[in-house]
Amino acid sequence: AQSVTQPDIHITVSEGASLELRCNYSYGATPYLFWYVQSPGQGLQLLLKYFSGDTLVQGIKGFEAEFKRSQSSFNLRKPSVHWSDAAEYFCAVGAGSGGYQKVTFGTGTKLQVIP
Amino acid sequence: GAVVSQHPSWVICKSGTSVKIECRSLDFQATTMFWYRQFPKQSLMLMATSNEGSKATYEQGVEKDKFLINHASLTLSTLTVTSAHPEDSSFYICSALEGGGYGYTFGSGTRLTVV
Repeated sequence: AQSVTQPDIHITVSEGASLELRCNYSYGATPYLFWYVQSPGQGLQLLLKYFSGDTLVQGIKGFEAEFKRSQSSFNLRKPSVHWSDAAEYFCAVGAGSGGYQKVTFGTGTKLQVIP
Repeated sequence: GAVVSQHPSWVICKSGTSVKIECRSLDFQATTMFWYRQFPKQSLMLMATSNEGSKATYEQGVEKDKFLINHASLTLSTLTVTSAHPEDSSFYICSALEGGGYGYTFGSGTRLTVV
């Protein structure tokens, strides 16, 4: 079965600073990888996803993520954080076949942005 | 883009009553929908997979008789929490799988409080 680890429960960065959120996955084959963002009391919004091809994926809101098979990682990055980026971020892995993917979420990383 | 509407956003009910939560795909047909539960400050836990026209597949430890899932059409799945108790209070989120199996869109979630 697949699993996802987000080692950082809570991260604080200054507005304008760069950001990297870590995500490691475990799955026997090439996984489908996702990053979602959740604002308090809200649902999840997809930031980006990786299925195949270029290992550097561009997403919305200026986020990008890089798939590194050798490290089983899919870290999320943003060069300059804005106060509105404060939220909880979830990495997820989809695994399965036949067009159906069972998605497993990491425990999330809460991002705090300070002025 | 794909939109999933979840209703209601907030619900408070008395212990022992039943609550129905709706999940609708607004601009696409969803043969598969997923129901998640999220406890405070925790990740999303998959409860069940809902397939149009067939019985839902429940994850281990999820009570089928307590969490009734009906996926009667290609755009609507419902989750009914039967005989709700305070420990059922949680944030419930649905997601729908787009046609090609490569996209997951989430609803905005339902905050259930059982008093």
